[in-house]
Amino acid sequence: DTAVSQTPKYLVTQMGNDKSIKCEQNLGHDTMYWYKQDSKKFLKIMFSYNNKELIINETVPNRFSPKSPDKAHLNLHINSLELGDSAVYFCASSRIGQVANEQFFGPGTRLTVL
Amino acid sequence: GIQVEQSPPDLILQEGANSTLRCNFSDSVNNLQWFHQNPWGQLINLFYIPSGTKQNGRLSATTVATERYSLLYISSSQTTDSGVYFCAVAGSNDYKLSFGAGTTVTVRA
Repeated sequence: DTAVSQTPKYLVTQMGNDKSIKCEQNLGHDTMYWYKQDSKKFLKIMFSYNNKELIINETVPNRFSPKSPDKAHLNLHINSLELGDSAVYFCASSRIGQVANEQFFGPGTRLTVL
Repeated sequence: GIQVEQSPPDLILQEGANSTLRCNFSDSVNNLQWFHQNPWGQLINLFYIPSGTKQNGRLSATTVATERYSLLYISSSQTTDSGVYFCAVAGSNDYKLSFGAGTTVTVRA
């Protein structure tokens, strides 16, 4: 059984389009995250939700909007895509938000903006 | 924010060799994880080790929290060990993981 899943796995789109990436976890975790991995493989946090509440919002352009309909899902919507948004986006989840706990990552979504 | 430095940046091994990867961090942590990113891009959890020593097969890890470093040992390396190894930490009262730049390991047959 897949613990943290993301769809789609690959996303190729034109500049200026709007796209969404979906994430679901079946681990019963309370906290979910979005990380971005750039072309140099550097990984950085973007957002985190704990029980549907936004708790981390790093310096990310407001074209990026996360949404958590329930604690098992965290989606990422990106408006007006730019070339620099090309990256791999990873969703992750962990058991308890108040205290740092082991994070588990999804397979990633490779976004290519043309 | 907390700084994470990994060394060496690149490592080339002959199959069967042993190696040690190092992770230094700049502040106290309550989460430290080692990941292997395989050639297909998947991030695989190796260890959750904010302190102490753990072993899993040919891999083991040690974190000395008071001295702010962690070591990952790979013994009898295999070609399937190739990929990028990341160390990531979360500081006290922090949810997010801060990642090091990774160590790229290439194991040659």
